[in-house]
Amino acid sequence: AQSVTQPDIHITVSEGASLELRCNYSYGATPYLFWYVQSPGQGLQLLLKYFSGDTLVQGIKGFEAEFKRSQSSFNLRKPSVHWSDAAEYFCAVGATGANNLFFGTGTRLTVIP
Amino acid sequence: GAVVSQHPSWVICKSGTSVKIECRSLDFQATTMFWYRQFPKQSLMLMATSNEGSKATYEQGVEKDKFLINHASLTLSTLTVTSAHPEDSSFYICSARAMDYSYEQYFGPGTRLTVT
Repeated sequence: AQSVTQPDIHITVSEGASLELRCNYSYGATPYLFWYVQSPGQGLQLLLKYFSGDTLVQGIKGFEAEFKRSQSSFNLRKPSVHWSDAAEYFCAVGATGANNLFFGTGTRLTVIP
Repeated sequence: GAVVSQHPSWVICKSGTSVKIECRSLDFQATTMFWYRQFPKQSLMLMATSNEGSKATYEQGVEKDKFLINHASLTLSTLTVTSAHPEDSSFYICSARAMDYSYEQYFGPGTRLTVT
């Protein structure tokens, strides 16, 4: 069965510090991987996606993620966090032949001055 | 590009009434649209998948007679919550997938439903 795990429910970082949000997936087929960000009361905005090719993908707002097949992971990183990055982050996985995305439970990011 | 809108952004209704939420793809044609429900501080739960011109496919545990979905055109899908109850209060988010059959979904801004 497909599943997406985001082990960290809540992370607090200082502004300017680096950030890594973890995502592990379980999927039988070749996965398509996404990271979305959601601000309070808002919809989801796509940060980046991995379909194939280079396993290090660059996204918007200075985010990047690395697909590691051997670890079934797709962790999101940012070298220097800004206060405006405080939000909820969702990892999602889809696959060939599957119609929908499976979402992780989300990680809430708090940024302190 | 790839903008999805939802209307209304928030709605309050009385228990027992019905509410319709619209989801539109503004600058692309969407063969498939998805409806999600999100409870406070939780992840998105897929409710149903709708394909233009055909009946929606509902996820297990979602009452199709309560959550009516219509996907009448390639740019519009609607979700009607019938005979709403307070427990239907939630944040409803739609997404749309373009005709190129990519696996990327574009999300609407969500609709906050409160049933009193």
